[in-house]
Amino acid sequence: QQQVKQSPQSLIVQKGGISIINCAYENTAFDYFPWYQQFPGKGPALLIAIRPDVSEKKEGRFTISFNKSAKQFSLHIMDSQPGDSATYFCAAYLSGTYKYIFGTGTRLKVLA
Amino acid sequence: DTGVSQDPRHKITKRGQNVTFRCDPISEHNRLYWYRQTLGQGPEFLTYFQNEAQLEKSRLLSDRFSAERPKGSFSTLEIQRTEQGDSAMYLCATSPGGRGTDTQYFGPGTRLTVL
Repeated sequence: QQQVKQSPQSLIVQKGGISIINCAYENTAFDYFPWYQQFPGKGPALLIAIRPDVSEKKEGRFTISFNKSAKQFSLHIMDSQPGDSATYFCAAYLSGTYKYIFGTGTRLKVLA
Repeated sequence: DTGVSQDPRHKITKRGQNVTFRCDPISEHNRLYWYRQTLGQGPEFLTYFQNEAQLEKSRLLSDRFSAERPKGSFSTLEIQRTEQGDSAMYLCATSPGGRGTDTQYFGPGTRLTVL
């Protein structure tokens, strides 16, 4: 199963709040998990990424939490800002291939 | 601007016509990917080049799609006999290569509309 399931589809957060986006997968051959941010009219841009031997990675306001046994990972955006309003995609790299499988995206809106 | 450029940015064509898109990678990036993204969906893998060699191609890609990367620099994606279902954003991404996975840098995409 090569799917990556992402939720929620959309999210509205107040300025200063925490945004949480979740992803789940089935295939244990996935071995690298990046998160991308995409603004309208632009290509996705890498935010942060994690490998399955690490349970958490933090870069600035962005944190990935990874639960290998549950096959789930999530993105936390602390102190969310209106400029964070964008679509966020999780992805997974299928080991032994050259494929990245993307989730369906979460449209985040941060209210000022 | 990531340094990956795509041309054209927008293309409107009639059903049955052929279209070709171009991607210019960041200099010395030897990995190049093509993706298709439809509204409300994540990018869908189409094909992968390492230098000039096409090493992976999605099984979902019909025979109407072909991609090339001559000399391992720019790449082209051609769609023959376009159908309305081909309407989408076509994204190119490149990465430096080397061992294991590395950061993909996406271009701005080419938006295709098939009438």
